[in-house]
Amino acid sequence: NAGVTQTPKFRVLKTGQSMTLLCAQDMNHEYMYWYRQDPGMGLRLIHYSVGEGTTAKGEVPDGYNVSRLKKQNFLLGLESAAPSQTSVYFCASDLTGLAHNEQFFGPGTRLTVL
Amino acid sequence: SQKIEQNSEALNIQEGKTATLTCNYTNYSPAYLQWYRQDPGRGPVFLLLIRENEKEKRKERLKVTFDTTLKQSLFHITASQPADSATYLCALDLETGGFKTIFGAGTRLFVKA
Repeated sequence: NAGVTQTPKFRVLKTGQSMTLLCAQDMNHEYMYWYRQDPGMGLRLIHYSVGEGTTAKGEVPDGYNVSRLKKQNFLLGLESAAPSQTSVYFCASDLTGLAHNEQFFGPGTRLTVL
Repeated sequence: SQKIEQNSEALNIQEGKTATLTCNYTNYSPAYLQWYRQDPGRGPVFLLLIRENEKEKRKERLKVTFDTTLKQSLFHITASQPADSATYLCALDLETGGFKTIFGAGTRLFVKA
């Protein structure tokens, strides 16, 4: 039982390049989330999904797109990377999305945009 | 504006002492409050959840209090150990629509042997 996994762990991009971050969970969770974490700031929600085939915007969605074609996978895309997107990205999942559910986090992807 | 505040300065304590971390919030009415632990280079890990109608919750050496009048939660680690050194995040769970969970920036705890 791997929990939540993320690939890649590290990536360096040049401004304007695109990339996709992959998140996978094996806990059969309905809800999945993408956050970014910046120094001195709390985790900020980028996009989330309440189930296969559905996605919704979070607090900071601009410059990102997501897809959830399979229940266990949640992809985060950067269409044209900008230095402001340098951050650590975390994927999380929870069973039902109810307010009192704990979220399970992946190990993170450290992205640097030059 | 809505804010969650956790002490940005690291907390340094001696092994065996009780560590107390603070989470203050304004302009939120959370139904639940959660605490997570985050080690360097890793994702947060859930520790405890407390409901708005609970004053205190305990789990082994951990204790959380939740004062909705003061808009504050305190997180205590008793008999602290060097292995407790990490960053601790508080998170508010909102039952209304919009973003479900709002995270604080965390407080770094160092426990010296």
